[in-house]
Amino acid sequence: DVKVTQSSRYLVKRTGEKVFLECVQDMDHENMFWYRQDPGLGLRLIYFSYDVKMKEKGDIPEGYSVSREKKERFSLILESASTNQTSMYLCASSLSPPGLAGGQETQYFGPGTRLLVL
Amino acid sequence: SQKIEQNSEALNIQEGKTATLTCNYTNYSPAYLQWYRQDPGRGPVFLLLIRENEKEKRKERLKVTFDTTLKQSLFHITASQPADSATYLCARTGRRALTFGSGTRLQVQP
Repeated sequence: DVKVTQSSRYLVKRTGEKVFLECVQDMDHENMFWYRQDPGLGLRLIYFSYDVKMKEKGDIPEGYSVSREKKERFSLILESASTNQTSMYLCASSLSPPGLAGGQETQYFGPGTRLLVL
Repeated sequence: SQKIEQNSEALNIQEGKTATLTCNYTNYSPAYLQWYRQDPGRGPVFLLLIRENEKEKRKERLKVTFDTTLKQSLFHITASQPADSATYLCARTGRRALTFGSGTRLQVQP
């Protein structure tokens, strides 16, 4: 069964802290994604990765960085957390990128991490 | 930029009725549209995909249509049940990644 796991379901951090959100998938998928979800704004893409050590900016990368040292793991880093980064963070994976696979690849999501920055 | 819009107002219907959710997109037609279901506090789960050259796709009680003239996809749940209550997200394929709508919350009353 397909599985994407995220390191924490809930996280509370202070302004200025460095925050690491971890995501692991066990499906040998090439592609991994980080989104944030806010009421009324839907899912917004922060970063994605098509391969190990490869990363590409999404729509809202400012204030974030990512790391993909191993195929199964994709980390999102908040270099200096701010209150406007309070949100639900969702990780997803897919076998191949939508464009290259003709959009056939569905995305499998983790349960999400609800981050509160005080 | 490619936008995708869903009705932000919640849809309330009676059990047994057909729920119809709307997804509108701008600019060029995407090659594919996907629909996901999201329950509170959980990640979205894929439901259906429809291609540009398909007018309709069905899966059990679910039906999706794709109208490139209207730039619209409709998502139907027939014989709705309270267990169908959730937020439904539409997503379009783009050059690099999927673009999601903000979702429509469906509430099915018993």
